[in-house]
Amino acid sequence: DVKVTQSSRYLVKRTGEKVFLECVQDMDHENMFWYRQDPGLGLRLIYFSYDVKMKEKGDIPEGYSVSREKKERFSLILESASTNQTSMYLCASSQRPGRNATNEKLFFGSGTQLSVL
Amino acid sequence: AQKVTQAQTEISVVEKEDVTLDCVYETRDTTYYLFWYKQPPSGELVFLIRRNSFDEQNEISGRYSWNFQKSTSSFNFTITASQVVDSAVYFCALSGYYGQNFVFGPGTRLSVLP
Repeated sequence: DVKVTQSSRYLVKRTGEKVFLECVQDMDHENMFWYRQDPGLGLRLIYFSYDVKMKEKGDIPEGYSVSREKKERFSLILESASTNQTSMYLCASSQRPGRNATNEKLFFGSGTQLSVL
Repeated sequence: AQKVTQAQTEISVVEKEDVTLDCVYETRDTTYYLFWYKQPPSGELVFLIRRNSFDEQNEISGRYSWNFQKSTSSFNFTITASQVVDSAVYFCALSGYYGQNFVFGPGTRLSVLP
């Protein structure tokens, strides 16, 4: 089974702190994604990466950056955390179609509930 | 830009009723994938179905069926004879052909009452 692991289940930070959310997948997937989930807004795409060192902005990249130095690891960085970044953060990965992929569905981590005080 | 709209925020039905969840999408891509996911109260996202833009054939899986209509950019999901265990938030999603830019709709909360 594909495993997507997020380093923390719960995190509490203070306004202005730099925050790192780590995500690791063990299935050699090319694509990796960061979402935040807020009540009534669903999952909103922050950033995605389709290869090492490659990244693309999603719908709400402001206030975030990402890093993908290794294929299995995709980090989300909050340079200066603010209270409106309190949310559930979900990491996901998927295999790129065309490389013996049986499906291209997303595999999700269990999420990190971040509270910024 | 890609966008998914789920106009129904919340739906309540009584057990054994049929219910249809609407999904409308926007994309400039000519090839793309559409998905439905279920998020039960436990919080885990459960994959239900994937459809590629070449295949407009409707699909049935048990009590679930999906109606893909490219002409109206819709990918609707019907649950027949709903059960209490179907209560969850359902998300429709869209991605590019290579799985990039995977975006979700805001979700529809379905409550099935006994």
